[in-house]
Amino acid sequence: GAVVSQHPSRVICKSGTSVKIECRSLDFQATTMFWYRQFPKQSLMLMATSNEGSKATYEQGVEKDKFLINHASLTLSTLTVTSAHPEDSSFYICSAKTGKSTDTQYFGPGTRLTVL
Amino acid sequence: DQQVKQNSPSLSVQEGRISILNCDYTNSMFDYFLWYKKYPAEGPTFLISISSIKDKNEDGRFTVFLNKSAKHLSLHIVPSQPGDSAVYFCAAGTGANNLFFGTGTRLTVIP
Repeated sequence: GAVVSQHPSRVICKSGTSVKIECRSLDFQATTMFWYRQFPKQSLMLMATSNEGSKATYEQGVEKDKFLINHASLTLSTLTVTSAHPEDSSFYICSAKTGKSTDTQYFGPGTRLTVL
Repeated sequence: DQQVKQNSPSLSVQEGRISILNCDYTNSMFDYFLWYKKYPAEGPTFLISISSIKDKNEDGRFTVFLNKSAKHLSLHIVPSQPGDSAVYFCAAGTGANNLFFGTGTRLTVIP
């Protein structure tokens, strides 16, 4: 149980285009979903937290107009990188958890974004 | 400012021996701690967690120890197996929300 999927696993796009990444909890209802990014040889950095049906909470330094997050259902959250630039190239990982405060975050397999 | 630190970027251990991975944190409000295992180009896989009301949690070959006064936790893997070779991240937070991750320790188990 507790499987989280991400799609696509890898995407290459041109500078200036927008890219959408999907995160799905396959066998549980995710009240809360999180989006992280990881640069090479660095730790995971939390970008934003989203609760189903409400606006995402962004971490300091993360542009909410650039990284659009939608959590429309208890099993799906999307991250859209708008007007992507090469510096947005990174490994984006989502995680999901139920409403229990001590429930573990379960991570998706990640999406490698390369902006040319 | 890194609130969770893993000061050893790498560790090599002989198969069958014990692997000990260490993690330090600075925020005394953290009450939930986790260890994740990660392979390249994959998402982290949850291994084991511990809440601040405990000082030890065991699951099979994996044991996590928490020393709140020292703000230190460790993951013991015994016996270590070649399949354990991966990057291990510790994470800490209040509840399981807003986790702060360390920079990871690459464990290599030598057959």
